[in-house]
Amino acid sequence: ELKVEQNPLFLSMQEGKNYTIYCNYSTTSDRLYWYRQDPGKSLESLFVLLSNGAVKQEGRLMASLDTKARLSTLHITAAVHDLSATYFCAVVSSSGNTGKLIFGQGTTLQVKP
Amino acid sequence: EAGVVQSPRYKIIEKKQPVAFWCNPISGHNTLYWYLQNLGQGPELLIRYENEEAVDDSQLPKDRFSAERLKGVDSTLKIQPAELGDSAVYLCASSSRDRGTNEQFFGPGTRLTVL
Repeated sequence: ELKVEQNPLFLSMQEGKNYTIYCNYSTTSDRLYWYRQDPGKSLESLFVLLSNGAVKQEGRLMASLDTKARLSTLHITAAVHDLSATYFCAVVSSSGNTGKLIFGQGTTLQVKP
Repeated sequence: EAGVVQSPRYKIIEKKQPVAFWCNPISGHNTLYWYLQNLGQGPELLIRYENEEAVDDSQLPKDRFSAERLKGVDSTLKIQPAELGDSAVYLCASSSRDRGTNEQFFGPGTRLTVL
């Protein structure tokens, strides 16, 4: 059974600092997604990572995927308050294209001024 | 492009009452998903449709939950009767095979409170 674990689950950081959120998954997968969720809102797609070594960047966020290590990272550069939200990674099992996403528990990021 | 539409946004009912949620996916998206999100957790898949066919409903509690997507467009998820533990956010998502990424786009969700 595919399991997805994120750490940390909660992150409080100062504006201007850098930090990394980690997403580990337990079985082979060739697709990984990062989503953002603001309180009381739905999930917003941030990144789609489709192959080993994939790296994508949008503003202060950069996501990477290492399929051999079964690890994805979401790196935050020079955090700003607007990045405060909960971030989820989600993985699709490569055993058949079921399209079923398994989500991590989420990492709640709080950026303090 | 309009996003995934869900209604109602909020619903409060007493236990043992029935409730229904409606979802209209992004136009042209053939795959539709219903997810359940409990507070402080990630979403969990309840059912997935490819057009009008339910291709994965293994996580749907079939004794009280049902879903349909009759014409392969919009979908309804029903709970009858509702239990206290059903209080959660019900999210609908859709995706298109044409994009090749299976990227799923989520609606705003329906927040259900069962009293």
